[in-house]
Amino acid sequence: QQQVKQSPQSLIVQKGGISIINCAYENTAFDYFPWYQQFPGKGPALLIAIRPDVSEKKEGRFTISFNKSAKQFSLHIMDSQPGDSATYFCAASKGSNYKLTFGKGTLLTVNP
Amino acid sequence: ETGVTQTPRHLVMGMTNKKSLKCEQHLGHNAMYWYKQSAKKPLELMFVYNFKEQTENNSVPSRFSPECPNSSHLFLHLHTLQPEDSALYLCASSPERVTGELFFGEGSRLTVL
Repeated sequence: QQQVKQSPQSLIVQKGGISIINCAYENTAFDYFPWYQQFPGKGPALLIAIRPDVSEKKEGRFTISFNKSAKQFSLHIMDSQPGDSATYFCAASKGSNYKLTFGKGTLLTVNP
Repeated sequence: ETGVTQTPRHLVMGMTNKKSLKCEQHLGHNAMYWYKQSAKKPLELMFVYNFKEQTENNSVPSRFSPECPNSSHLFLHLHTLQPEDSALYLCASSPERVTGELFFGEGSRLTVL
């Protein structure tokens, strides 16, 4: 079954703190793991993505950690800011198949 | 205009109405998608078009009818909908054969009374 399980459903963090969102997948054929960010009233936008040949990818304050053996990956937001408040979706796909399987999303609130 | 544009942004319709959602992309992409976004559910892929040809119909009820006249335009024709079809309908595009890099529009919020 091609599922991606995402947790937590919601997260509240203080400004400057670290936000951590976790995802787990079942299909070992998945080889592309993006994270999408969605602000209210907007469509999701690609934030950062990783392939399983690396265990970590960092872009600014955003880092993806990938554990292939555990079939888990996570998004870390360092120095979280109120402007990071949004819904975050993890996703996965395999090969050249552009059919993404999405998690249910995490609503992140960063308090000032 | 740039990116992916969807109209209308909001739509209220009765169960017996017929309406259409429109999507236009200005990115030169060859693949276009319809997704359904419901509260507390994963985004659900509905249809995929690649070079105007439908390549995916994810078991979507026939009351949803897509149309892709060219690589820049995508429509979703709606008829005899049910209240449970109320959701945010997102259009997306991607360059052909590029894995996962979807560019989404802002969505059309549909309410079925």
